[in-house]
Amino acid sequence: NAGVTQTPKFRVLKTGQSMTLLCAQDMNHEYMYWYRQDPGMGLRLIHYSVGEGTTAKGEVPDGYNVSRLKKQNFLLGLESAAPSQTSVYFCASSSGTGAGELFFGEGSRLTVL
Amino acid sequence: AQSVSQHNHHVILSEAASLELGCNYSYGGTVNLFWYVQYPGQHLQLLLKYFSGDPLVKGIKGFEAEFIKSKFSFNLRKPSVQWSDTAEYFCAGISGGGADGLTFGKGTHLIIQP
Repeated sequence: NAGVTQTPKFRVLKTGQSMTLLCAQDMNHEYMYWYRQDPGMGLRLIHYSVGEGTTAKGEVPDGYNVSRLKKQNFLLGLESAAPSQTSVYFCASSSGTGAGELFFGEGSRLTVL
Repeated sequence: AQSVSQHNHHVILSEAASLELGCNYSYGGTVNLFWYVQYPGQHLQLLLKYFSGDPLVKGIKGFEAEFIKSKFSFNLRKPSVQWSDTAEYFCAGISGGGADGLTFGKGTHLIIQP
């Protein structure tokens, strides 16, 4: 079982470059989430989606965009990367009926120089 | 605003010591609570969860947590820790029926010394 898969796992960008992180889940989950994890800050929600074609802002959405064109995929985009976006990004999904239990991907470590 | 706070950011224990990690939440109405663990270099895994019913919840690897509504707390416990319990522990919550994701505490870095 693949569960939640994130690509790429590591990436180094220069300030101003753009990139997209891909999250794919094979559990037929309705809800998907992007979090960022920073030392001493825990996990903070960037954007989320409650179904195909829908997205919503989380706690720290600035500088990011997302799309959910297919139910199984949730893309996180950085249009113009900044050093403050250096972080570990986690994608998660939920069935929506498990009252909040999230299943996480293995994370994507992004460094912006 | 909904929030989850963890009391201890860094905890160092010796093997076989007892563990209690504090977690307090601030939610109106019903709340679902979780503890997740993140081993070094790995993703988050669910330790245990509370939805309703028995306030003492048992999870994997000998962990348990007690939901005390009057204290807005959901502390994680383990009677005897092992070196392999070294990890980052996160408490998280969501209002009942909410779809906007879990709110996480800032985490507790637990180090178990052999």
